[in-house]
Amino acid sequence: DAGVTQSPTHLIKTRGQQVTLRCSPISGHKSVSWYQQVLGQGPQFIFQYYEKEERGRGNFPDRFSARQFPNYSSELNVNALLLGDSALYLCASSLVQGAVTGELFFGEGSRLTVL
Amino acid sequence: GEDVEQSLFLSVREGDSSVINCTYTDSSSTYLYWYKQEPGAGLQLLTYIFSNMDMKQDQRLTVLLNKKDKHLSLRIADTQTGDSAIYFCAESRGFTGNQFYFGTGTSLTVIP
Repeated sequence: DAGVTQSPTHLIKTRGQQVTLRCSPISGHKSVSWYQQVLGQGPQFIFQYYEKEERGRGNFPDRFSARQFPNYSSELNVNALLLGDSALYLCASSLVQGAVTGELFFGEGSRLTVL
Repeated sequence: GEDVEQSLFLSVREGDSSVINCTYTDSSSTYLYWYKQEPGAGLQLLTYIFSNMDMKQDQRLTVLLNKKDKHLSLRIADTQTGDSAIYFCAESRGFTGNQFYFGTGTSLTVIP
């Protein structure tokens, strides 16, 4: 079975540009979360979506937005990119919302470099 | 504060035990987790512990939880070179526990 897939794997943008990152969850998983991992730090929670609705949002500016589609895939958009947005963006899916089973399945991430 | 704290580096000899420590912040966290991240890969769940437990053992892994001190530890017995990775503890927050907050990670190096 396919795991969580993310695209693109690497991309380079310049300051002020916009980026869209994509994520396909494991088949049957209805919850998708996004995390930002800056080099040398742990992942930071950005968003969680469940059944196409936003169910949680971390401490990120409004330049960050996301959505979930009827097939449960998700996109993360970042506008007006800053140098500090350079990071590995991780998508995670889970069968249910919340920590009932405790398991988030992570993709390998999209590495964004902002020049 | 908001931070989940871990020591940054740990180095052990192959065959020894490794102990990775973590201090978390939210006493209402229902579950606490340990994840492993190998270079170029996403995070893999190693184990988790329910907050009303003191200890959980899973093969070579032992998790100890001191809820009073908000201290979590992961012990890896008979550490192997394949265990070299970054280890993150995480706590769940939010009304439905759907927000995971990770520590800074501990880089474990196993010396042959």
